[in-house]
Amino acid sequence: GQNIDQPTEMTATEGAIVQINCTYQTSGFNGLFWYQQHAGEAPTFLSYNVLDGLEEKGRFSSFLSRSKGYSYLLLKELQMKDSASYLCAVVDSNYQLIWGAGTKLIIKP
Amino acid sequence: IAGITQAPTSQILAAGRRMTLRCTQDMRHNAMYWYRQDLGLGLRLIHYSNTAGTTGKGEVPDGYSVSRANTDDFPLTLASAVPSQTSVYFCASSDSGTSTDTQYFGPGTRLTVL
Repeated sequence: GQNIDQPTEMTATEGAIVQINCTYQTSGFNGLFWYQQHAGEAPTFLSYNVLDGLEEKGRFSSFLSRSKGYSYLLLKELQMKDSASYLCAVVDSNYQLIWGAGTKLIIKP
Repeated sequence: IAGITQAPTSQILAAGRRMTLRCTQDMRHNAMYWYRQDLGLGLRLIHYSNTAGTTGKGEVPDGYSVSRANTDDFPLTLASAVPSQTSVYFCASSDSGTSTDTQYFGPGTRLTVL
């Protein structure tokens, strides 16, 4: 079966760095997305990785290792507004988008 | 403001009633999607449409139907609602039907079936 694993919840301190991991077992791989979803709101696009390595966008970076079936989202200089759920989604060999359950990130002052 | 709108924002519905959730986008995207989001589960695809006039079944299509008469609108109908359809429903769109395209989501409809 297809499976995406993310921690259910994480807590971090304002100003710090946090890494949210995502591991996947899917039938093939054609890319991985990260979305941010604030409570009661719609998911919004953060990043898309299809090749191995790190991609940086301001305070947010996303890393992919296809051989390990692993990705992480790195958030630097955490702000209170970063409190949200972070959703990992993988495109499998049939070009189906498989969603993880999301990681709820709580930022404390 | 460009984007996706959904209506209603929330609804409480008696079991057995028919309900249509509305979704409209003004980005001229070809593809549109309906998802449901339940606590502890990832987004699950109900139905999708890669272009006006065509629709397809997703992971959890039973009890739901859709139509795509034009590019902008993609309504989702529950013919006879059941309590297990209590969920938050998100409509999304993307430029093409390729799943490697970024999807843009509407604000969601919170539906409670009693």
